Amino acid sequence: EAGVAQSPRYKIIEKRQSVAFWCNPISGHATLYWYQQILGQGPKLLIQFQNNGVVDDSQLPKDRFSAERLKGVDSTLKIQPAKLEDSAVYLCASRQTHSRNYGYTFGSGTRLTVV
Amino acid sequence: DQQVKQNSPSLSVQEGRISILNCDYTNSMFDYFLWYKKYPAEGPTFLISISSIKDKNEDGRFTVFLNKSAKHLSLHIVPSQPGDSAVYFCAASPWPGFNKFYFGSGTKLNVKP
Repeated sequence: EAGVAQSPRYKIIEKRQSVAFWCNPISGHATLYWYQQILGQGPKLLIQFQNNGVVDDSQLPKDRFSAERLKGVDSTLKIQPAKLEDSAVYLCASRQTHSRNYGYTFGSGTRLTVV
Repeated sequence: DQQVKQNSPSLSVQEGRISILNCDYTNSMFDYFLWYKKYPAEGPTFLISISSIKDKNEDGRFTVFLNKSAKHLSLHIVPSQPGDSAVYFCAASPWPGFNKFYFGSGTKLNVKP
């Protein structure tokens, strides 16, 4: 089974620029998540999709962050404009709707550095 | 507000000995708990889970213990191996179907040969 694919692996941008991350979940996984992991902290949920609908985006800074999951498969997360505090690893995860252990499968993440 | 806490940022253990990683939570509604393991430059991988109807769950060398009254869980690795060296995160959810997990800040385990 192929894992969760994310790109790019690394990105360095200047503050006030925009950036986009891409995620391709495991085939058949209806639920997709974007997490933000700041250095020294645990992952924090930004947004959760069920198919192409948003289930929870309560912690997404909507003034600058946006995410979509067209056709219920791939997803993109965008930041515009970026701030220094957005420097983090952005993790995408997916799971089957009826998973035995409710655990997610994470991608390797995109490390964003805002300078 | 950190609802899941891992107060030990790091732990060093000799190969063959037991590793005990601790996790505390504040929300009494949390009902389902996971442990993840993370190697550098990789995403976290699921390790073991436990629901509140149990106080122990075993999977090979890994055992998770849950003490609901103390709002505390721990992960035991016996015997520890150098390949276990990684960052371990605990995560909690009010209900597995709710599927929103809150993560601790992680404990970096170093198993010395």
